[in-house]
Amino acid sequence: QQQVKQSPQSLIVQKGGISIINCAYENTAFDYFPWYQQFPGKGPALLIAIRPDVSEKKEGRFTISFNKSAKQFSLHIMDSQPGDSATYFCAASMVGGSGTYKYIFGTGTRLKVLA
Amino acid sequence: GAGVSQSPSNKVTEKGKDVELRCDPISGHTALYWYRQSLGQGLEFLIYFQGNSAPDKSGLPSDRFSAERTGGSVSTLTIQRTQQEDSAVYLCASSLFGPYGYTFGSGTRLTVV
Repeated sequence: QQQVKQSPQSLIVQKGGISIINCAYENTAFDYFPWYQQFPGKGPALLIAIRPDVSEKKEGRFTISFNKSAKQFSLHIMDSQPGDSATYFCAASMVGGSGTYKYIFGTGTRLKVLA
Repeated sequence: GAGVSQSPSNKVTEKGKDVELRCDPISGHTALYWYRQSLGQGLEFLIYFQGNSAPDKSGLPSDRFSAERTGGSVSTLTIQRTQQEDSAVYLCASSLFGPYGYTFGSGTRLTVV
């Protein structure tokens, strides 16, 4: 019930195409859903995040779609660029022991955008 | 500092030795987290510090792992009697408050040989 399932594990997209990464969760107590982007040798960096009271959030070429009833959310990268090649992690936040705002992360999607 | 700083960036140690990993959070951030990233896996929560409150240690995998945070700032993660399965990237993150916008450091890559 604590898991966040992420797919696909890897993704290859042509430059200019749309990259779509999906995540699903079980626990309805989750209330904050961020996406992180990680380049090799670097820590993950926050890309975009959504709360469950909205169905979509867009920031530039990045859009999160959220389906509360299906307990699914996805990241869409429009006009994908070679510089977007990285590993993407979805996450869900819940309040744990001692008020911990810990994240439960998906297993990551390695995206490669071909020039 | 401008970002979360972790040291060392790489550490190779022999099985059975103790290691200490250091994290300097962003100045003013009250929440500090440690996560572990194993090859091909997601990030696994280890421990959380918030101000002067008791830490949430629920993610520590065994009693060989411990962490402290001194003066509400710098944190040290200690792994005693290291095992090969401890090999991973250990990531530290801090946030001003709550879950919003963790900032991660670049991590310490630990290799146990």
